[in-house]
Amino acid sequence: DSGVTQTPKHLITATGQRVTLRCSPRSGDLSVYWYQQSLDQGLQFLIQYYNGEERAKGNILERFSAQQFPDLHSELNLSSLELGDSALYFCASSVAGQGIGNTIYFGEGSWLTVV
Amino acid sequence: DAKTTQPNSMESNEEEPVHLPCNHSTISGTDYIHWYRQLPSQGPEYVIHGLTSNVNNRMASLAIAEDRKSSTLILHRATLRDAAVYYCILRVGGANSKLTFGKGITLSVRP
Repeated sequence: DSGVTQTPKHLITATGQRVTLRCSPRSGDLSVYWYQQSLDQGLQFLIQYYNGEERAKGNILERFSAQQFPDLHSELNLSSLELGDSALYFCASSVAGQGIGNTIYFGEGSWLTVV
Repeated sequence: DAKTTQPNSMESNEEEPVHLPCNHSTISGTDYIHWYRQLPSQGPEYVIHGLTSNVNNRMASLAIAEDRKSSTLILHRATLRDAAVYYCILRVGGANSKLTFGKGITLSVRP
């Protein structure tokens, strides 16, 4: 158990819909990262937050957005869903945003299926 | 981000040592070498990291070439639970300390 909690674990929704994925980081971790893993693209970095502020942005679509709240939990919002958005979405956390030696801990992921 | 090159796959026998190679010829002086692994249906898991010197922990050892252009992850006695995809990642320093995953190497362990 990494200490990173993601909900829901599984989600099936229709095209065009909107979903929210939730992440609770490990206690004390200020940085939250979101990754998408699909069969053809592998693990893709989406976005990183540090203590409520956006720190880095990766290949995140405009239809996707995220935020980190004052209690440090984070949400990833996916809207106008398409079939190709079906993937495993991972949240990860680490103690600080600038410590390149510090470990990043991953949750077990949220499986999203768009039908 | 600097790139790494790993073989696609490797097979090992249970209870034998495994050496997983990684090339990173464009590594810069501030890049840390990280290894993560992903077991089936699980999130990636930290294995080990290093900068210049060889490193050991309870999971594995990391041997880093003197010129830092390559490294080797060593599992001293492979178990069936070590079957996973292993990712060698160069983690760039500074504020954007995200991990950029490549394809990794799939390790199979034979009983």
